[in-house]
Amino acid sequence: GAVVSQHPSRVICKSGTSVKIECRSLDFQATTMFWYRQFPKQSLMLMATSNEGSKATYEQGVEKDKFLINHASLTLSTLTVTSAHPEDSSFYICSARGGGGEFLNEQYFGPGTRLTVT
Amino acid sequence: RKEVEQDPGPFNVPEGATVAFNCTYSNSASQSFFWYRQDCRKEPKLLMSVYSSGNEDGRFTAQLNRASQYISLLIRDSKLSDSATYLCVVGGGQNFVFGPGTRLSVLP
Repeated sequence: GAVVSQHPSRVICKSGTSVKIECRSLDFQATTMFWYRQFPKQSLMLMATSNEGSKATYEQGVEKDKFLINHASLTLSTLTVTSAHPEDSSFYICSARGGGGEFLNEQYFGPGTRLTVT
Repeated sequence: RKEVEQDPGPFNVPEGATVAFNCTYSNSASQSFFWYRQDCRKEPKLLMSVYSSGNEDGRFTAQLNRASQYISLLIRDSKLSDSATYLCVVGGGQNFVFGPGTRLSVLP
């Protein structure tokens, strides 16, 4: 299967600071990347969908000015949590879907980033 | 009604048992169906895609009923290592919607 990496795997930051999370598809070109958030014992919630070279589409209730998404290349998308607050503490997971072939329909997930805001 | 709903669980079964999970979806235009498993504090991993004709992979069998808009996953001869949360995922176009998951605990 395809490999998607995320960095960092774990981050602790102070309230008010910004945190950037990187998501990379290592062995395929990801035309679409998805960002999810998962609170403890809850389901994955889609935050936004990004297509390479265009603006991300945010789900209802997700603040686009707080969660900045950049999908600058076919292998990299970044999520920046700006002015983080303790309620932003969560498990953030990206996934990638390729443009064709075996990678077209399935999503491949990164290992996730655990963000703790103190 | 939620877009994707699953058996609430948790399912606690003994080793060797057969267990079945159901998932229903509301969008009749959905085209892609998957089962993922997620271990505690880890990312979801694709277990299997679900095709119209149904598909089987070892101890795992997935079926799709488009008319009734549900998907099922059957696990036979369950192992301790099958303990996880099983997520039903339904996709159409660019959007993939995850179900809330059903937790399975296989007990020795």
